[in-house]
Amino acid sequence: QQQVKQSPQSLIVQKGGISIINCAYENTAFDYFPWYQQFPGKGPALLIAIRPDVSEKKEGRFTISFNKSAKQFSLHIMDSQPGDSATYFCAASFSGNKVIFGPGTSLSVIP
Amino acid sequence: NAGVMQNPRHLVRRRGQEARLRCSPMKGHSHVYWYRQLPEEGLKFMVYLQKENIIDESGMPKERFSAEFPKEGPSILRIQQVVRGDSAAYFCASSPDRANTEAFFGQGTRLTVV
Repeated sequence: QQQVKQSPQSLIVQKGGISIINCAYENTAFDYFPWYQQFPGKGPALLIAIRPDVSEKKEGRFTISFNKSAKQFSLHIMDSQPGDSATYFCAASFSGNKVIFGPGTSLSVIP
Repeated sequence: NAGVMQNPRHLVRRRGQEARLRCSPMKGHSHVYWYRQLPEEGLKFMVYLQKENIIDESGMPKERFSAEFPKEGPSILRIQQVVRGDSAAYFCASSPDRANTEAFFGQGTRLTVV
């Protein structure tokens, strides 16, 4: 019930394309859904986050779509750039508790 | 305002030795979380601490692992009698309070057991 599922495991997108990463959860007590970006050899960095009372949140080229009834949420990266190549983790937490991470998606943006 | 500081960045230990990993949270942050990341895998929660208190240690192995966050000084993750399977990247994150779930991560300590 604490698990967060994430797909795909890896993703190759051409420069300028849209990268889409999907996540799903079971525990309806989760009330905070962050996305983290991690470059090799670095710690995860918070990219964007959403709470379940909002269906969509956009920050620059990054958009989270949230479907509360389906218990699913996704990250869209518009106009993907080679500099976006990294591993992306969706995550969930509740009541300021520990953050549960998905297994990660390795994104490669090719010129 | 410095970020979350972890040291050492790299640590090599022989089997059976002890490993001590340090984490200094961001200024004003009193909540610390430790995560372990195995190669090509996601981050697995280990322990959540507040100053002088362990709040949630449900992800900590029952033996050889311990954590503390004293009133003064950094948080310490201690691994006794290390084995090869302990080789991983260990990340620390901090947040200002329980209600604020925005956690900031350090650069991690990469432990190699030889």
